[in-house]
Amino acid sequence: GEDVEQSLFLSVREGDSSVINCTYTDSSSTYLYWYKQEPGAGLQLLTYIFSNMDMKQDQRLTVLLNKKDKHLSLRIADTQTGDSAIYFCAESMSTSYGKLTFGQGTILTVHP
Amino acid sequence: DVKVTQSSRYLVKRTGEKVFLECVQDMDHENMFWYRQDPGLGLRLIYFSYDVKMKEKGDIPEGYSVSREKKERFSLILESASTNQTSMYLCASRRTGPFVTEAFFGQGTRLTVV
Repeated sequence: GEDVEQSLFLSVREGDSSVINCTYTDSSSTYLYWYKQEPGAGLQLLTYIFSNMDMKQDQRLTVLLNKKDKHLSLRIADTQTGDSAIYFCAESMSTSYGKLTFGQGTILTVHP
Repeated sequence: DVKVTQSSRYLVKRTGEKVFLECVQDMDHENMFWYRQDPGLGLRLIYFSYDVKMKEKGDIPEGYSVSREKKERFSLILESASTNQTSMYLCASRRTGPFVTEAFFGQGTRLTVV
């Protein structure tokens, strides 16, 4: 079955880069996502990558996918205090009615 | 502005009570989901529905049931609430498509069972 793993905590200084890592087990995953949850809120989609891509860049966000190692990472450049949140990695397959399997979530804390 | 609305932000219920959590979406999405969120465990899928009156078990369906009588509404039912069901419950909806589609989430319902 599907399994997605993340480290639970990351602490960085404002202005530094943050790298959040994720591993997954299902090699048939078609899409991989990063969601952000701010305190007291639901989840918001940050970015996604197709499994046939290696990298995707979107402003301050860079997603890297290593299919061989089943490893996904999210890099946030110039991290700001407003980036403090929980970040979830998720996967889905095109045949799964859009069902998403989530990791445990990484709590990112940005210090001034 | 797209919306997924959960009926309550906070609920406190007694052990053994029957609990209804309601979710409504205004985007005409086919698929709706109920997750529970616990610290260190992430989001775990309880049930999902891909059409009216259709439902599928997720990873942790025990102790829960669901109802989808109308396309826009998906209800989660705790038949007899227990303290281990104290959690944050998140509803989501998503359009079916051959390409990636975004899942939209409600604000969550924090349920405490005492």
